[in-house]
Amino acid sequence: GENVEQHPSTLSVQEGDSAVIKCTYSDSASNYFPWYKQELGKRPQLIIDIRSNVGEKKDQRIAVTLNKTAKHFSLHITETQPEDSAVYFCAASHQTGANNLFFGTGTRLTVIP
Amino acid sequence: DAEITQSPRHKITETGRQVTLACHQTWNHNNMFWYRQDLGHGLRLIHYSYGVHDTNKGEVSDGYSVSRSNTEDLPLTLESAASSQTSVYFCASSDPGDETQYFGPGTRLLVL
Repeated sequence: GENVEQHPSTLSVQEGDSAVIKCTYSDSASNYFPWYKQELGKRPQLIIDIRSNVGEKKDQRIAVTLNKTAKHFSLHITETQPEDSAVYFCAASHQTGANNLFFGTGTRLTVIP
Repeated sequence: DAEITQSPRHKITETGRQVTLACHQTWNHNNMFWYRQDLGHGLRLIHYSYGVHDTNKGEVSDGYSVSRSNTEDLPLTLESAASSQTSVYFCASSDPGDETQYFGPGTRLLVL
C-alpha cells in the first residue's frame, strides 16, 4: 500500500515569512495529492490539490509543487499570517473511481505575530 | 445547504460495550469513509464504501464494522470497545466525479 511521509512535524515562522512543508510517497501509481488544513478542534478542510499531470499549482498565497520522478510534493505558504496557524496534512491517492486517501502524519504550523 | 454531520460529537463508554457512531451526508455522495485521528499518526482509514451495500476494510479495520443501507448514512460500530479505540473519529464523503473528500465535524470517543 501507499506510504506518505511528511516533514517537519512542527514548524514555527515569523509572520510574513514563508513556510514549506514536504511530503514523499511510495506508490508510483498515486496521481492525486491534496493538502488539508485542520484548525484546533475543527474538521480537516481541503486547501489545495494537485494532479500528477501538473507540476505546480497556485492559489493566492498557497502553492503546491509535485516531482513525480522523486515522488515528493510540497506545500508553500507565502506571506504567512497568524490565521495560517494550524495542522496541515498531505495525502496521496490513486484514481480508481474512488479515492482512498493515504495521509501524512501532519505538520503543526505556528505563525508568530 | 448540503452537509455532512456526525453524532454524537462526544462519547464516553466502557470497555467491552458496543458503540455506534453515526455519519449522515446530504450531498448524495456515493463514496463514504471513516478515519480515526491519533496524535503522531495523522488520519488512518478504518472502512470505506463506494455505494449502497458496498463496504471495504481500510488500514485499521480490526474491531470496527460498517454497513451501508442507503446513500446518506454510514454508521461505524465498535463491536466491543477497547481503550486503544479512544480517538477522534471523522467520516468523509466524496463524489466519484470529484476527488475532494469533505469531512464531518468529528466524534471524540473515550473508552474507559
